[in-house]
Amino acid sequence: DAMVIQNPRYQVTQFGKPVTLSCSQTLNHNVMYWYQQKSSQAPKLLFHYYDKDFNNEADTPDNFQSRRPNTSFCFLDIRSPGLGDAAMYLCATSRYGLAGITDTQYFGPGTRLTVL
Amino acid sequence: GEDVEQSLFLSVREGDSSVINCTYTDSSSTYLYWYKQEPGAGLQLLTYIFSNMDMKQDQRLTVLLNKKDKHLSLRIADTQTGDSAIYFCAEIIPRGGADGLTFGKGTHLIIQP
Repeated sequence: DAMVIQNPRYQVTQFGKPVTLSCSQTLNHNVMYWYQQKSSQAPKLLFHYYDKDFNNEADTPDNFQSRRPNTSFCFLDIRSPGLGDAAMYLCATSRYGLAGITDTQYFGPGTRLTVL
Repeated sequence: GEDVEQSLFLSVREGDSSVINCTYTDSSSTYLYWYKQEPGAGLQLLTYIFSNMDMKQDQRLTVLLNKKDKHLSLRIADTQTGDSAIYFCAEIIPRGGADGLTFGKGTHLIIQP
């Protein structure tokens, strides 16, 4: 059974046209993360929610926003996609989000975003 | 600073052992992880090691950690075609609050028949 679900798996948008990517989880985990993975690059953390608290990485562009309306769902909004935003976007969850204990991050299959 | 380095490609014959290497720079890392990514799929956690351990074995997988040299390796015994994937080394550095992973660029493991 899928635990972290991302929709859609493939998304095509036009330059400058807002787009929303969706992530849902059946694990009831406290923390949800969004990572960006460009071709042949390491996944890079954009931001995360600890419950309802939003935490932005310092170098995440303002063009990227996120919403978490409830425990199960988290959305990634790209307000004005540029060609450089084409990437795989990975959602992950963890129960506690604490580095001091074993706290596995579970990843979804990703959404591949193409910007035309 | 945060930086994780890996070789981009490794080619091995089926049945041989694969050794994937990783170096990291932040000595405050608490846990180090190996993730596997198959084509079109998300990241699957393979194994992890706590920073005060030297070695961890889990079936065909052996993780070695040299904390002095900040070097991590993943050995896959009896490599099979199903092991063909990209392997990511990742570290987690406690910064207070929920902590994200810092990944290497991944090593493509290629299996020759």
